[in-house]
Amino acid sequence: QVQLVESGGGVVQPGRSLRLSCATSGFIFSSFAMNWVRQAPGKGLEWVALISYDGSYNYYADSVKGRFTISRDKSKNTVYLQINSLRTEDTALYYCARDNPSSGSIWSFDHWGQGTVVTVSS
Amino acid sequence: QSVLTQPPSVSAAPGQKVTISCSGSMSNIGKNYVSWFQQLPGTAPKVLIYDNTRRPSGIPDRFSASKSGTSATLDITGLQTGDEADYYCGSWDSSLTAGVFGGGTKLTVL
Repeated sequence: QVQLVESGGGVVQPGRSLRLSCATSGFIFSSFAMNWVRQAPGKGLEWVALISYDGSYNYYADSVKGRFTISRDKSKNTVYLQINSLRTEDTALYYCARDNPSSGSIWSFDHWGQGTVVTVSS
Repeated sequence: QSVLTQPPSVSAAPGQKVTISCSGSMSNIGKNYVSWFQQLPGTAPKVLIYDNTRRPSGIPDRFSASKSGTSATLDITGLQTGDEADYYCGSWDSSLTAGVFGGGTKLTVL
């Protein structure tokens, strides 16, 4: 079955970098767009980034543009989120989510991982 | 401040019906599909509705949704205590070229 497993979170000082990974299995990774969504403690969902099925295009939330980079490696069936210049407001649970192949929308999810926690603190 | 506006909370008794609203603009709900998500306490979000009205397999028909203009609604009938959760609407925003969520609505089943 479809599995999305995030990793790479941790406690990091402001200004440092981190790379999150989302390892996938149970489907043809190279056929699906992927997203990152985050949730700050006690807050709502915030969409972060999307990468197309082939990596040819991506989109970012304004709040992370220029600091976050989404990428994918089809040989590892993994999508990444490189986070640079970390800020305290980046503290959140980061989820990866798969595109919904049944949807007519560019932005639609079906499966979500369980998330990885990023804490930015000095 | 979320791009999509939802009421912070709604409540109803078991067996009753509740409606959760989601208000946006032409660049998001007005032009693009709406999804609805359920997040039970301590768990990852789950898709309840996509493409405005479509339910993924396994989602009971107690959950239904509609869209009109720049607003969308999620209806939950036959409320159960297990429906207590946070509910989020979301859509693509063509002007922002970004996904946007509502702020979330906490459902309490009294």
